[in-house]
Amino acid sequence: QQQVKQSPQSLIVQKGGIPIINCAYENTAFDYFPWYQQFPGKGPALLIAIRPDVSEKKEGRFTISFNKSAKQFSLHIMDSQPGDSATYFCAASESNFGNEKLTFGTGTRLTIIP
Amino acid sequence: GAGVSQSPRYKVAKRGQDVALRCDPISGHVSLFWYQQALGQGPEFLTYFQNEAQLDKSGLPSDRFFAERPEGSVSTLKIQRTQQEDSAVYLCASSAPGQFTYEQYFGPGTRLTVT
Repeated sequence: QQQVKQSPQSLIVQKGGIPIINCAYENTAFDYFPWYQQFPGKGPALLIAIRPDVSEKKEGRFTISFNKSAKQFSLHIMDSQPGDSATYFCAASESNFGNEKLTFGTGTRLTIIP
Repeated sequence: GAGVSQSPRYKVAKRGQDVALRCDPISGHVSLFWYQQALGQGPEFLTYFQNEAQLDKSGLPSDRFFAERPEGSVSTLKIQRTQQEDSAVYLCASSAPGQFTYEQYFGPGTRLTVT
């Protein structure tokens, strides 16, 4: 049972454009929504995260938009650069005294063309 | 400081062989997780340790999978009688309190290929 659905599967954007990756979840107990960036041969690296009590969070060029009623959240990358080309995963977890095991989406392979 | 390290980075095993994958978490991190990442997919949870206690093993796919963390630091994931469907990248993560919750830091993974 896939609890976090992610789209699109792949995305090609020109440099300077704003790629948008979308995720939807089912489990209303989820209360932490991180995004991870993964380069080939590397482990996922935490990029930015949000709690459901806010609708938007910005860190540098990365912004998460969160819609609690729709159970959806998305990642926007401003002024995208070729170095942003990677696979992006959304994830979700619920607070559990340290056992915040993550449920991941299926990933979006992003390519930024110069 | 040093991040999460895993060894070996690559492992080729013949079907039926046993394998052991090692994870060195970030020093002082109490929580440790193992995930399995199939090709083209997101990581899937396998098991969770708090110090040396294995508190959640709900994601282990079969009784051929076994994990331990005897002294609360280094962890080993063992797969007995490997099958082709075990081929995947095995990721280890350790966590510490962050801005919102326990933020997980991943190692580079061990790519297991079963032939």
